[in-house]
Amino acid sequence: SQKIEQNSEALNIQEGKTATLTCNYTNYSPAYLQWYRQDPGRGPVFLLLIRENEKEKRKERLKVTFDTTLKQSLFHITASQPADSATYLCALGNYGQNFVFGPGTRLSVLP
Amino acid sequence: ETGVTQTPRHLVMGMTNKKSLKCEQHLGHNAMYWYKQSAKKPLELMFVYNFKEQTENNSVPSRFSPECPNSSHLFLHLHTLQPEDSALYLCASSQEGSGGHNEQFFGPGTRLTVL
Repeated sequence: SQKIEQNSEALNIQEGKTATLTCNYTNYSPAYLQWYRQDPGRGPVFLLLIRENEKEKRKERLKVTFDTTLKQSLFHITASQPADSATYLCALGNYGQNFVFGPGTRLSVLP
Repeated sequence: ETGVTQTPRHLVMGMTNKKSLKCEQHLGHNAMYWYKQSAKKPLELMFVYNFKEQTENNSVPSRFSPECPNSSHLFLHLHTLQPEDSALYLCASSQEGSGGHNEQFFGPGTRLTVL
């Protein structure tokens, strides 16, 4: 069955540094990959979508890469700020299928 | 605000109670979803409705009963739940169902505790 892993349950980085979160998957060939942010006690909020034929997508300080050979997506936050502290979820989807979410990585940006 | 509201935000119920969760979306979307989020576990898709028709039931126990009277409203009826059903229940909507590139808009969730 398909499996989605996100690099670690928690990640601490210093303010101003680049945070890199990893989403790895097995037994799956997604056509789409999404990243969401979730704050405590709230629902996830969509950030970015990347398609299988796209290598990289950017939005302000966010950058997502999608390597279908490695079966991996990297999510980067440059010039991180304490306000970026949250749990980040990746979700994989395919044509005519619902998205499947990863377990999430809790990011803490320390001032 | 995401345009998706859920009530109640918190619910405590006994195992013999019957209660309902309500979700409403103001985005004009055609697909609505129920997810369960437990501690230390990924989001679990429970049900999907597309144009008011149920298109997904992810092997959910019958003590959870969804209802979608129209494209804007979604209910989850709860009956004789177990303590392990305690979780955050999230509602979401998207323009269309069944994956693809559809961004999902989530509500704030209902924190359910079953005693």
